[in-house]
Amino acid sequence: ETGVTQSPTHLIKTRGQQVTLRCSSQSGHNTVSWYQQALGQGPQFIFQYYREEENGRGNFPPRFSGLQFPNYSSELNVNALELDDSALYLCASSLVSRGAYSPLHFGNGTRLTVT
Amino acid sequence: GDSVTQMEGPVTLSEEAFLTINCTYTATGYPSLFWYVQYPGEGLQLLLKATKADDKGSNKGFEATYRKETTSFHLEKGSVQVSDSAVYFCALSVSGSRLTFGEGTQLTVNP
Repeated sequence: ETGVTQSPTHLIKTRGQQVTLRCSSQSGHNTVSWYQQALGQGPQFIFQYYREEENGRGNFPPRFSGLQFPNYSSELNVNALELDDSALYLCASSLVSRGAYSPLHFGNGTRLTVT
Repeated sequence: GDSVTQMEGPVTLSEEAFLTINCTYTATGYPSLFWYVQYPGEGLQLLLKATKADDKGSNKGFEATYRKETTSFHLEKGSVQVSDSAVYFCALSVSGSRLTFGEGTQLTVNP
């Protein structure tokens, strides 16, 4: 069974730039969620995708956007980067069936540094 | 809103010591409760979970009991090992579609 994989592992961007992070979900899973983990803190929910549509969003501005593709992989896009966007971005996948969710499986994350 | 509060860290123990990490929660619904562990440079791994009151989740010697009356889900292990050194996160989910995490507790186990 293939786990959740994320790319790239590390990324350095300049304030104001745009970034795209990628995630391949675990085989058999049909939902993808993204979390932001600032240094020394717990992960914060950004949004979740199911059937290629956003299915819940946390307290993040519209410059955070995403996509889910037919193969259940996903992208997280962040526009107009700010210094506070520096964090570990975690992707997680799960299987939803008949309204019930399996536990989330997380990737190893992408470390984004904004300078 | 939903929230999770963990005991302040970091926690430093000697090998074979008893571990307790406290976790309390506030939720608008009837949540499922989780403990996740994060090793250095890695993502989060599910350690254990409980879905209803009085359920006990267990894995790798770790245990936690869902206490609805005290809104708690404390993590315990009778004898820690050096390999248990990691950051531990308590989390809840009401809808199943998102997790609310605590701030994490850094555990260091010395030989």
